[in-house]
Amino acid sequence: GAGVSQSPSNKVTEKGKDVELRCDPISGHTALYWYRQSLGQGLEFLIYFQGNSAPDKSGLPSDRFSAERTGGSVSTLTIQRTQQEDSAVYLCASSLSRGQGNQPQHFGDGTRLSIL
Amino acid sequence: SQKIEQNSEALNIQEGKTATLTCNYTNYSPAYLQWYRQDPGRGPVFLLLIRENEKEKRKERLKVTFDTTLKQSLFHITASQPADSATYLCALASGSARQLTFGSGTQLTVLP
Repeated sequence: GAGVSQSPSNKVTEKGKDVELRCDPISGHTALYWYRQSLGQGLEFLIYFQGNSAPDKSGLPSDRFSAERTGGSVSTLTIQRTQQEDSAVYLCASSLSRGQGNQPQHFGDGTRLSIL
Repeated sequence: SQKIEQNSEALNIQEGKTATLTCNYTNYSPAYLQWYRQDPGRGPVFLLLIRENEKEKRKERLKVTFDTTLKQSLFHITASQPADSATYLCALASGSARQLTFGSGTQLTVLP
């Protein structure tokens, strides 16, 4: 596709359930990023991938969060045993390469996650 | 501690005027600084990137300045239009951090 695609666009689930969020980056982009945005807040970095590897997992809030990327393309972010504080918009971005911050990031429109 | 601060208040300006948004940072040595626009319910959209050795960058009605002494970037929109109304985010890339760190954004409203 032309842009970064995320699914689902909205997800409502009960506390304690597991959720899986999907990101389909721009074709050819080797770097992929996950962020979390709470209401009225900036973007909180979670994890990035260079190819299928995740060199930096420092932003993951807890061991309930995990992410993987396969085939250098699609990535999934999994949250186990969801808590109400996990409610937020989860944004995915991709860039042509990792660089040192000199690459524009292209964002999807996010998954709005609501934990009841 | 490291901090990125953008105009905490929402900014309202009259159509046709120049909007100036501020991004201040502490305890960073960014090699690059980026500006993004975010509309409600959408992901951020990249606007401009400026390097630490560049003082100013322009793109159409947009202008970004980067003062590493003041630790500040200014983002200007000239001849503003209601369609420019959005939240604008600055993001720093520090060479040691290896990822973009975003400010919380400034909400701009251009009044017709």
